[in-house]
Amino acid sequence: KAGVTQTPRYLIKTRGQQVTLSCSPISGHRSVSWYQQTPGQGLQFLFEYFSETQRNKGNFPGRFSGRQFSNSRSEMNVSTLELGDSALYLCASSLAMKRYTGELFFGEGSRLTVL
Amino acid sequence: EDQVTQSPEALRLQEGESSSLNCSYTVSGLRGLFWYRQDPGKGPEFLFTLYSAGEEKEKERLKATLTKKESFLHITAPKPEDSATYLCAVLPGGSYIPTFGRGTSLIVHP
Repeated sequence: KAGVTQTPRYLIKTRGQQVTLSCSPISGHRSVSWYQQTPGQGLQFLFEYFSETQRNKGNFPGRFSGRQFSNSRSEMNVSTLELGDSALYLCASSLAMKRYTGELFFGEGSRLTVL
Repeated sequence: EDQVTQSPEALRLQEGESSSLNCSYTVSGLRGLFWYRQDPGKGPEFLFTLYSAGEEKEKERLKATLTKKESFLHITAPKPEDSATYLCAVLPGGSYIPTFGRGTSLIVHP
């Protein structure tokens, strides 16, 4: 059974640019959530999508957005990049009935460096 | 404001030396408390969910317990392959947004 796939794994951008990250969940998982991980702040919840609708959103500015497609694949976008956006962005998927049980399956992340 | 504090930040053990990691939390109600393991360069791996004080869960050398203010992850006779960062997270009552601790980095020496 394939795990959660995130692309790209590494990317470098400059301030002011935008970036789109992709996440393919485990087959059958309809919930996808996104997290930002930094040494200073740890792991922080960005948002969760279920059935193509954003269900929950963390405390991040509007520059951070996402969407989910009918096949449950998800993308997140960060516009007008700032140096502080440098982080590991993690995607996690879960079964619908397990959405809030903590039983998340994480991908290996996309490491974004903003110069 | 919901807070999760993990201690110690780092822990070095000899193989076979049992110990405990602590996760203390302050939340408005508790839907669940989660433990994850994260290896370098990987995403977190789910270990346990605890829902109410007094509950315990076990998996191989790991045992998680929960009180009204904190959770412990007990590691019995650890092996080098148990080396990882262990993350704790809480899901507050009335919210579906988890709050994570900063983690405890565990190194087990052979």
